[in-house]
Amino acid sequence: GENVEQHPSTLSVQEGDSAVIKCTYSDSASNYFPWYKQELGKGPQLIIDIRSNVGEKKDQRIAVTLNKTAKHFSLHITETQPEDSAVYFCAALNSGGYQKVTFGTGTKLQVIP
Amino acid sequence: NAGVTQTPKFRVLKTGQSMTLLCAQDMNHEYMYWYRQDPGMGLRLIHYSVGEGTTAKGEVPDGYNVSRLKKQNFLLGLESAAPSQTSVYFCASSSELNTEAFFGQGTRLTVV
Repeated sequence: GENVEQHPSTLSVQEGDSAVIKCTYSDSASNYFPWYKQELGKGPQLIIDIRSNVGEKKDQRIAVTLNKTAKHFSLHITETQPEDSAVYFCAALNSGGYQKVTFGTGTKLQVIP
Repeated sequence: NAGVTQTPKFRVLKTGQSMTLLCAQDMNHEYMYWYRQDPGMGLRLIHYSVGEGTTAKGEVPDGYNVSRLKKQNFLLGLESAAPSQTSVYFCASSSELNTEAFFGQGTRLTVV
């Protein structure tokens, strides 16, 4: 089955710096890769996603890149702000015969003012 | 627009007790899911539903049952709670299977 590894588990950056979170997946049939942000005491919220026919997607300060050959994808947050502090989860969807979403173990991002 | 609402937010159960977690969505989504979140393990799918009256097993279904009698509601039941079921439970819904899911705020369940 699919295995999604996420690194780092914790990340501290100064306000205004960039943050990068990386995920690798094992199943080459995976074709949809969402990123979720979870603030303390709340449920995960989809912030950006990418499909396997696209190499990069941007939404204001957030971008996701996908390297299908290497089977890894990354979340990039530029000009970080204190409100970006949260736990971020990556996930991979295998849309084969048995659709299954596999989540990474999360990255706790702390933006220091 | 409330999105996905879970009830209750917190609950403490004794081993062997039963309870039902309620999930309601007002987005007319076909697909609904129940996940559990444990430290260091990410989210794991318990059960899901592809439409009213249907349910299917996810990754960790043992000890749980679900029902989807109405399109907007998805219920998760624990018939005989065990300490291993101590977790945070999240309900989610989506308009397409397994994509762009909207999550509820979670239910923190402790089984003692």
